[in-house]
Amino acid sequence: EVQLVESGGGLVQPGRSLRLSCAASGFTFDDYAMHWVRRAPGKGLEWVSGISWNSGSIGYADSVKGRFTISRDNAKNSLYLQMNSLRTEDTAFYYCAKGVGAIVHYGMDVWGQGTTVTVSS
Amino acid sequence: DIQMTQSPSSLSASVGDRVTITCRASQSIAGYLNWYQQKPGKAPKLLIYAASSLQGGVPSRFSGSGSGTYFTLTITTLQPEDFAVYYCQQSYSTPLTFGQGTKLEIK
Repeated sequence: EVQLVESGGGLVQPGRSLRLSCAASGFTFDDYAMHWVRRAPGKGLEWVSGISWNSGSIGYADSVKGRFTISRDNAKNSLYLQMNSLRTEDTAFYYCAKGVGAIVHYGMDVWGQGTTVTVSS
Repeated sequence: DIQMTQSPSSLSASVGDRVTITCRASQSIAGYLNWYQQKPGKAPKLLIYAASSLQGGVPSRFSGSGSGTYFTLTITTLQPEDFAVYYCQQSYSTPLTFGQGTKLEIK
């Protein structure tokens, strides 16, 4: 069964850091791009970041560029999101998603159940 | 960044109806357009990729069309399980961007 399981969410103060992880199983992880997508309370979906199969191509939303870093470890079938200088507006439900293809320029066909990040003092 | 605009923002329909949701891009995205469905408390689900390709396991009452800057998602013969929020998303260039969503409600 294809599965993505996020972890690492929680309550954090503004300005602090948090690292999200996504464990993948049931597919050949290093054949596909991976993404992070979030949904803030009362808002729609927002793409946060994506990484190609070999980490050769990475992209970020303007709202997180310079603060968040996406990475992957193909040997561990894992995706990560290092979130620094967190702001209250980063409060959201964060999803890990598998790309349809090897690069980020396709849809996302498998999603995790998500993890909650709350940034508050 | 490419802006995606969906219309309508909300839509009331009845079981058995045919509905169409539109999505416009602020610049040409060729066919790099995907549609998702999200239900409360659930992760999004990919319905259509590359503008018109039906994702595996998705019922054939869902269809997508368009290219360039104008796209549509059509659901024929609405079923009770189709009432949800629908999003378009462009994957032509980063940052990838979603439309604001269309909430499909039961009339």
